[in-house]
Amino acid sequence: KQEVTQIPAALSVPEGENLVLNCSFTDSAIYNLQWFRQDPGKGLTSLLLIQSSQREQTSGRLNASLDKSSGRSTLYIAASQPGDSATYLCAASGNTGKLIFGQGTTLQVKP
Amino acid sequence: EAGVAQSPRYKIIEKRQSVAFWCNPISGHATLYWYQQILGQGPKLLIQFQNNGVVDDSQLPKDRFSAERLKGVDSTLKIQPAKLEDSAVYLCASSFWAYEQYFGPGTRLTVT
Repeated sequence: KQEVTQIPAALSVPEGENLVLNCSFTDSAIYNLQWFRQDPGKGLTSLLLIQSSQREQTSGRLNASLDKSSGRSTLYIAASQPGDSATYLCAASGNTGKLIFGQGTTLQVKP
Repeated sequence: EAGVAQSPRYKIIEKRQSVAFWCNPISGHATLYWYQQILGQGPKLLIQFQNNGVVDDSQLPKDRFSAERLKGVDSTLKIQPAKLEDSAVYLCASSFWAYEQYFGPGTRLTVT
């Protein structure tokens, strides 16, 4: 049974700092690993999707890596801004597409 | 391209009442998902449709929850009767099979 864990649960950093969010999963037989952003009271916005054959994906200031052998993914945010404040969720999927989510990391970037 | 649409956005009901949520996926997406997100937790899959057939409903409380997807497009999720522990955000998502999922804004349900 796939389980996804995110550490830390909450993080507060000053503006401009580079930061790393961690995600671990128990079953390495994943199809995709997807990172989402959730603002308070809103739905989920997809940030990056890494297919099982890939090692990383980049979009702007975001870079996500995937290491299936160790069951880990990281989301790197460069030069953080107050607008990056949100909850970040990672989710692993099998070949049916069903997403298993972690509990999220709530990020606060202070001006 | 229009995103995933959901309604209503908010709903407050008393326990033992019934409620229904509606979802319209992104055009052309054959796969539709309903997730339940309890405050402070990650979303949990309730049911997955491929066109109008059910792929996975293993975590759907079938004694009170039901869902259907008419003609492989719109979907409705119903709860009858509601319990206090059903208070959550209900999220609908769609995708091309097992690829990137796109989520709607969700329906926040409060059961009193």
